Amino acid sequence: DAGVTQSPTHLIKTRGQQVTLRCSPKSGHDTVSWYQQALGQGPQFIFQYYEEEERQRGNFPDRFSGHQFPNYSSELNVNALLLGDSALYLCASSSGTGSGANVLTFGAGSRLTVL
Amino acid sequence: AQSVAQPEDQVNVAEGNPLTVKCTYSVSGNPYLFWYVQYPNRGLQFLLKYITGDNLVKGSYGFEAEFNKSQTSFHLKKPSALVSDSALYFCAVRDAVGRRGYQKVTFGTGTKLQVIP
Repeated sequence: DAGVTQSPTHLIKTRGQQVTLRCSPKSGHDTVSWYQQALGQGPQFIFQYYEEEERQRGNFPDRFSGHQFPNYSSELNVNALLLGDSALYLCASSSGTGSGANVLTFGAGSRLTVL
Repeated sequence: AQSVAQPEDQVNVAEGNPLTVKCTYSVSGNPYLFWYVQYPNRGLQFLLKYITGDNLVKGSYGFEAEFNKSQTSFHLKKPSALVSDSALYFCAVRDAVGRRGYQKVTFGTGTKLQVIP
């Protein structure tokens, strides 16, 4: 059973550029959350997608946007990159039903470096 | 707003000794509580959760955690530490009430566990 897959695993961008990160949730999961994890820090909640809509958002500027597709996969877009956007971006999926309800399943992350 | 505090940046324990990683939380209603573990350059892996019921929760790899409502704590424990337990541990909380799509999970800053051979 494939878990959460994220791509790309690593990428390097320069300030001002735009980036798109992709996530395929675990089979059977319909909710996707995105987190930013800076070096040495805990994951910070960016937003959560359910039924193809952004439902809840953390304290991140509008430069951070996303999308969820009918197959539940998701994208995270970051515009006008800043040096401070360098981090590990984690996608997590979840389901509201079954024994694993309420548990987040994480991907391995996309490591973004902004130069 | 919900929050999690992990007061120790690092915990060192000798192999074979019991370990405890501390966590306290704040949430407006009843909490759902979680522990996750992260290995270098990897995503987080679920260890255990408290949703309701017995205050002592058992999880993966011999870990357990005790929910204490009066102290708003959810400390992670293991009777006998292994060198392979060395990793970064995160406590997390969610409000039990949130409907689908509004189930933000808030993480602590993490505690690095070092098990010394």
